[in-house]
Amino acid sequence: EVQLVESGGDLVQPGGSLRLSCTASGFTFDYHSMHWVRQAPGKGLEWVSGLTWDSRSSAYADSVKGRFSISRDNDKKSLYLQMNSLRPEDTALYYCVKELDPYSYYAVLDFWGQGTLVTVSS
Amino acid sequence: SYVLTQPPSVSVALGETATITCGGNRIATKSVHWYQQKPGQAPVVVIYYDRDRPSGIPERISGSSSGDTATLTISGVEAGDEADYYCQVRDTSAEHVVFGGGTKLTVL
Repeated sequence: EVQLVESGGDLVQPGGSLRLSCTASGFTFDYHSMHWVRQAPGKGLEWVSGLTWDSRSSAYADSVKGRFSISRDNDKKSLYLQMNSLRPEDTALYYCVKELDPYSYYAVLDFWGQGTLVTVSS
Repeated sequence: SYVLTQPPSVSVALGETATITCGGNRIATKSVHWYQQKPGQAPVVVIYYDRDRPSGIPERISGSSSGDTATLTISGVEAGDEADYYCQVRDTSAEHVVFGGGTKLTVL
């Protein structure tokens, strides 16, 4: 059974930093690209960042470029999101998401974790 | 950047057919994926690559794409279909994932 468990969400002041983690199980983690997708309260889905299976290519939404950094450790079956210079508009539930096909790139997001809540407020 | 446009809401009577559209420039040249999100739950993919259904998704849920519009069709709508639906594509020019704004399906 595929499982994605996010952690690291918290209340942080504007300008602060947080590191989100996602631990995967139930599939061959190092075959699949992974993503972070967020959802502000009462709003729609917003893709944040993606990283290929081999960490050779990453991409970021314009809204977070230069402030967030995605990484992974295939030995630990874990995905990370380092978030710096946080803003109130970054407040959202952050989902860790797996791609459907091995070695695919920004295609079908077939399994989502339950999310970790980040609140940016003074 | 590539933009996907969805109607904010669609209402349909129980047992009827719901049609949810997703507009984008030449969207038919892209692969479109659809997600269902019920309140308090994570999204679930219901259609991928325009018209394929994951295992466990009923045949009454289908997808199509032509020109500038992709369509998610739900036949014989049930109360349990009430949810938010999002379309998604890959923006190859920017190597981004793009979501539509979402459509809230209300079953009357």
